[in-house]
Amino acid sequence: SAVISQKPSRDICQRGTSLTIQCQVDSQVTMMFWYRQQPGQSLTLIATANQGSEATYESGFVIDKFPISRPNLTFSTLTVSNMSPEDSSIYLCSVTRTGEGSSYNEQFFGPGTRLTVL
Amino acid sequence: AQSVTQLGSHVSVSEGALVLLRCNYSSSVPPYLFWYVQYPNQGLQLLLKYTTGATLVKGINGFEAEFKKSETSFHLTKPSAHMSDAAEYFCAVRSDSGGYNKLIFGAGTRLAVHP
Repeated sequence: SAVISQKPSRDICQRGTSLTIQCQVDSQVTMMFWYRQQPGQSLTLIATANQGSEATYESGFVIDKFPISRPNLTFSTLTVSNMSPEDSSIYLCSVTRTGEGSSYNEQFFGPGTRLTVL
Repeated sequence: AQSVTQLGSHVSVSEGALVLLRCNYSSSVPPYLFWYVQYPNQGLQLLLKYTTGATLVKGINGFEAEFKKSETSFHLTKPSAHMSDAAEYFCAVRSDSGGYNKLIFGAGTRLAVHP
């Protein structure tokens, strides 16, 4: 398995400001992802964080709103820019590591960052 | 396009009773299927997964799920519910586009266990 930590665990922010969320993994991982979980809803993939290059965003998500960095194989950040109350969600980092004898890289999730925008 | 449908956003059972959480999927490729559990204020934890081989898969905490291709289903069961099973459960399928590491999640089912 992989041990994943996220900072901050929660925050309350004002409209129009930005928040950067950090994701740290205890070992090198193949891929890192960022998900959003809006209140009472399921997880939606925001983007795949690529090491050393621009993130790959899903439909409906753009780099200007959710800039992502991944400087190495164990760390990534997600910034929620120019926040509005609609951005209030849990943001989760997830990673994959190659499983022994498995063709599928099992996905592990961090504890999430609970964001409230006033 | 792929999708995952979880029937019942809320399920309530008595302690000791059977737990059945339903999941149906659509996929244009052989599916890899997953059940995750999310306890209050925590991240997601993998309960079990089906990739290939045996269609009945066993996971942690006494849960198991059966892949039924003819029914496009992957229902989660546990013979006897414990109070500690109260959580949100998500079914997911591997995406068939953009890389096999992406997951498509269902809407989730919140399980309540009553004494």
